[in-house]
Amino acid sequence: DAGVTQSPTHLIKTRGQQVTLRCSPKSGHDTVSWYQQALGQGPQFIFQYYEEEERQRGNFPDRFSGHQFPNYSSELNVNALLLGDSALYLCASSDPVGTGPYEQYFGPGTRLTVT
Amino acid sequence: LAKTTQPISMDSYEGQEVNITCSHNNIATNDYITWYQQFPSQGPRFIIQGYKTKVTNEVASLFIPADRKSSTLSLPRVSLSDTAVYYCLVGATSYFNKFYFGSGTKLNVKP
Repeated sequence: DAGVTQSPTHLIKTRGQQVTLRCSPKSGHDTVSWYQQALGQGPQFIFQYYEEEERQRGNFPDRFSGHQFPNYSSELNVNALLLGDSALYLCASSDPVGTGPYEQYFGPGTRLTVT
Repeated sequence: LAKTTQPISMDSYEGQEVNITCSHNNIATNDYITWYQQFPSQGPRFIIQGYKTKVTNEVASLFIPADRKSSTLSLPRVSLSDTAVYYCLVGATSYFNKFYFGSGTKLNVKP
C-alpha cells in the first residue's frame, strides 16, 4: 500500500519562473492538502482539494494555485517565483469518511530553492 | 481558529518520560486536539488525537483536562530516535478542514 508520494524531490528555480509540484495521495484517500514549510518553521496551510475543487484556502496569494485530477492526484503551481518561496512543500492526503482518529498522511515533500 | 502555544524546545535523557504541554485557550466545542511528530526533511507523522480526558495508543498518551484549554502529550521512556519536532494542532475533524501548525516543540533526547 503506497503512501503519499511527491515529485520531484528537489528543485532549483530562478526568480520570476513558474513551478509545478506533483502529489499522489495514499491509496483510498480522496482529499489532498498542500503546505509550505520554511526552514525552522511549522508547515503553513496553502489549500485543500476534494472532488477536483479547492475547498479551503490559507493565507497565500493567487500566485499559488492547484489542481486535482479524477484519480485524486494533485498539482501545486507557483507563478512568478520569489526568493521567499524557497521552502519544503508538503502534500498530505486524508480520508474524511474514515472511522477512528482523523489524520493526515504526509509525503516526504519537495524542496524548492529559488535563486 | 484556536491558536496554540507550546514551548520552543525541551531536553530529556534516554529512558525518561517526557511531557509536552500545549495551550489552546480558544478551543471550540467541536475541536479535537491532534499531535504530530516531524523529523528533519520529512513530512509530519500523526501521533495521537483526542477530544477530552485521556487517550493512549502504542506510542503516546494524551491528557486533556475538563476545560480543554490545554493538553499534554506524554512520551514514555524516550530514546534518541524520539528527537524531533512535535506539533500540537486544534481543529474540527471534518470535511474541508484547515489545519494550522504552530512552531512546534523541538525535543532533544540525550544519551
